[in-house]
Amino acid sequence: SQQGEEDPQALSIQEGENATMNCSYKTSINNLQWYRQNSGRGLVHLILIRSNEREKHSGRLRVTLDTSKKSSSLLITASRAADTASYFCATFTGGGNKLTFGTGTQLKVEL
Amino acid sequence: DVKVTQSSRYLVKRTGEKVFLECVQDMDHENMFWYRQDPGLGLRLIYFSYDVKMKEKGDIPEGYSVSREKKERFSLILESASTNQTSMYLCASSLIGQALNSPLHFGNGTRLTVT
Repeated sequence: SQQGEEDPQALSIQEGENATMNCSYKTSINNLQWYRQNSGRGLVHLILIRSNEREKHSGRLRVTLDTSKKSSSLLITASRAADTASYFCATFTGGGNKLTFGTGTQLKVEL
Repeated sequence: DVKVTQSSRYLVKRTGEKVFLECVQDMDHENMFWYRQDPGLGLRLIYFSYDVKMKEKGDIPEGYSVSREKKERFSLILESASTNQTSMYLCASSLIGQALNSPLHFGNGTRLTVT
């Protein structure tokens, strides 16, 4: 089973609105990362948050991490049509030097 | 910028064929990975390599093998392709150690269809 599970599976919003995606995981982590995938392309790294961090910002992105609840959220503020993509969380647990990905949230931003 | 190049965007092969998927990175990264992506299942790790000639099984290695003869190149081999290996294959690379906060850099993927 997947280490990370995103919620919701799909999200449709209007341009200018904020988009929030959540990720839950099962075991303790060293870091959690968020990636974006445009249709038919590879994944692009967005932001990484370490297990001892609670919040991180990058431009219009805000990521929070709650290790007690084993969950993270990605907030995209003032969304744009170009933000339309799938968003994945990935966790690194420190063993095996590998990331485990969730199933993703499909975000659609409409004009 | 790091560039990870996968040799083919689309590939159509017949059942039983031997298939080679090639991946090259240009940033001297130690780690390289092969994932497959299927609807509803997300990305699943097939194999990874942390050095030349080194390889580790991921979560779904059955039916696959890999080769890393040079640091910049990581090949995925389907010894005898089957229809259930129809998928999007993604190659990625990173500096050594995810614990050191090194993100993955992905190629654009190879969509393989096995008929």
